Amino acid sequence: SQTIHQWPATLVQPVGSPLSLECTVEGTSNPNLYWYRQAAGRGLQLLFYSVGIGQISSEVPQNLSASRPQDRQFILSSKKLLLSDSGFYLCAWSEQVEKLFFGSGTQLSVL
Amino acid sequence: SQQGEEDPQALSIQEGENATMNCSYKTSINNLQWYRQNSGRGLVHLILIRSNEREKHSGRLRVTLDTSKKSSSLLITASRAADTASYFCATATRMDSSYKLIFGSGTRLLVRP
Repeated sequence: SQTIHQWPATLVQPVGSPLSLECTVEGTSNPNLYWYRQAAGRGLQLLFYSVGIGQISSEVPQNLSASRPQDRQFILSSKKLLLSDSGFYLCAWSEQVEKLFFGSGTQLSVL
Repeated sequence: SQQGEEDPQALSIQEGENATMNCSYKTSINNLQWYRQNSGRGLVHLILIRSNEREKHSGRLRVTLDTSKKSSSLLITASRAADTASYFCATATRMDSSYKLIFGSGTRLLVRP
C-alpha cells in the first residue's frame, strides 16, 4: 500500500535561516506531488506541484522553492526564512487528478 | 488564489442533527472533492464528484453538484461528536498537461454531544 512521509512534524527557525522540508512517497510510481501551506484557521494555498522528476510548477511567487530530485521525493526549501513563512506545510500526492493523499504536516514557526 | 469558498465558515449543531456545508467556485472543473481535517493534522479525502455527476452518496455523506451555478453541497446526516472537524471543498482544474486541486477556505463543524 502507498504511504507518504513528511518530516519534521514541528520546526522552529529564526528569521534568515534556511529551510528544508522533505516528503517521500512509497508504494507508487510517478505520482503527482504537491506542497500546500495553511495559515492558522484558514484554507490551503497551493505552493508547488510536480508531475515528474525535475518538473516543478510554482503557483505563488515567494521566498520558497521546491525540487524533485527523485520520483518519489519532494523537497521544499528556502535560503532565508521570513516571518511570513510561518504556517502549516502539507505535502500530498495523487495519481492523475483523483484524490490527494496528505502527509501529517509540518508546523513551521519563524521567530 | 482561492477557487472554492465554503459557506458557512463555522457551524455548530447538536449530535444527531444534519450538517450542510456549501461550496462555490469560479471556473470550469473536472471534478470536485471534499476533505476533512482534524485540528493540526493532514487532510483526509471524503468523496469525489465528477463534473458530469449531480449527486453522490457515501455512507452518511451526500454530495451534490450544480455546474450551472458552480456550487456544491456536502450533507452529513445523523452527525456524531466525532464528525467535529474542518471540511474543505477542492476543485480539480486543468493546468497544462495535468490538473491541480484548489482548496476553499473551509467550514469548521462542531458537533455538540
